[in-house]
Amino acid sequence: AQSVTQLDSQVPVFEEAPVELRCNYSSSVSVYLFWYVQYPNQGLQLLLKYLSGSTLVKGINGFEAEFNKSQTSFHLRKPSVHISDTAEYFCAVSGSGGYNKLIFGAGTRLAVHP
Amino acid sequence: EAQVTQNPRYLITVTGKKLTVTCSQNMNHEYMSWYRQDPGLGLRQIYYSMNVEVTDKGDVPEGYKVSRKEKRNFPLILESPSPNQTSLYFCASSFEINTGELFFGEGSRLTVL
Repeated sequence: AQSVTQLDSQVPVFEEAPVELRCNYSSSVSVYLFWYVQYPNQGLQLLLKYLSGSTLVKGINGFEAEFNKSQTSFHLRKPSVHISDTAEYFCAVSGSGGYNKLIFGAGTRLAVHP
Repeated sequence: EAQVTQNPRYLITVTGKKLTVTCSQNMNHEYMSWYRQDPGLGLRQIYYSMNVEVTDKGDVPEGYKVSRKEKRNFPLILESPSPNQTSLYFCASSFEINTGELFFGEGSRLTVL
């Protein structure tokens, strides 16, 4: 079975500071990894995904994530955050071989303060 | 505009009164799914559908029903709602669930008294 653990439920940070949101997964098969963002009162939207190839993945709004197979991690980073990045971020995993399922972590609430 | 549309967005009902939350997508996606979002639990899958007339249970299907008679529509039915079904519900669709992007509706906040 697959699972996703987001290590921080809340991350407060000041504007223009760097941020890292941590995600670890467990799986017995090859995985595909995703980060989604949920702005207040909205549905989720895709930030970035890792399917194969380069382990450093760049997404929208200046976010990037690095797939680390040995540490089973997929941490999300941004070098300088803005107030508008305040949102909830979800890490998700799906499996290869027709798994047909996307499993979400519990979410990390990023609060950017001026 | 590509979108997933859910209705109603907000609903307050009472225990036992049947309700349906509609979901429609205009992207010709084969895969559709319902999730519920609860604080500290993230999103949990209720039901999903790989195509018309093909549905299957997710992780928390108890108390819910779905149907997929047309490709674009995937309604969620609560035959006899209970207070533990108070939650925020999301419908989502994708052209391919394992590697593709999930497109979400804006959510339906349901309160069962």
